Amino acid sequence: EADICQTPRYLVIGTGKKITLECSQTMGHDKMYWYQQDPGMELHLIHYSYGVNSTEKGDLSSESTVSRIRTEHFPLTLESARPSHTSQYLCASSGISVRDRGIYEQYFGPGTRLTVT
Amino acid sequence: KNQVEQSPQSLIILEGKNCTLQCNYTVSPFSNLRWYKQDTGRGPVSLTIMTFSENTKSNGRYTATLDADTKQSSLHITASQLSDSASYICVVSDRGSTLGRLYFGRGTQLTVWP
Repeated sequence: EADICQTPRYLVIGTGKKITLECSQTMGHDKMYWYQQDPGMELHLIHYSYGVNSTEKGDLSSESTVSRIRTEHFPLTLESARPSHTSQYLCASSGISVRDRGIYEQYFGPGTRLTVT
Repeated sequence: KNQVEQSPQSLIILEGKNCTLQCNYTVSPFSNLRWYKQDTGRGPVSLTIMTFSENTKSNGRYTATLDADTKQSSLHITASQLSDSASYICVVSDRGSTLGRLYFGRGTQLTVWP
């Protein structure tokens, strides 16, 4: 199993605050992703990175920004949190699957549940 | 439009019973289909990945099938346990993208009662 850590696991914050959600992986994976997921809904890709100094926006428009200064670290930042940002944020990385050789597997972190009041 | 549809939306079964979850997709081109298990408040965990040439794949009590012609997949859970209570997500990957674009279904919420 991949080892992907996300902190904090839960965050309740007031409107207008700046927050950074942390994500780190120890597998040396080049590709990393951020997804947003609301209850009962599908995951939506909001950011991805092919490697250091590479970041791209995903399918779902997001006011958040990301950075990739180190391979293992892919933090997500909201400059001014709003109630509409309340959601679960999942970080993932991908690498060759150990179980299904030759196929890229996505490994997910435990998620950060963000509530903006 | 590339889509992944899952049914049923939710399902309640008694411990020890079997169940089958369905996934229909319109993603094209097709590379592979994945089933993930997502416990409440956790990230998804991969159960199986099937490529175009595979019809069935098992992982313990989980057996996935794929019919690439009709673009349908199923996940069969045998002898359910309380720990099987989770959301099961069908994910399809397209071909020709260096990112390996993933299309997610909304999941089937399975509840196993004692």
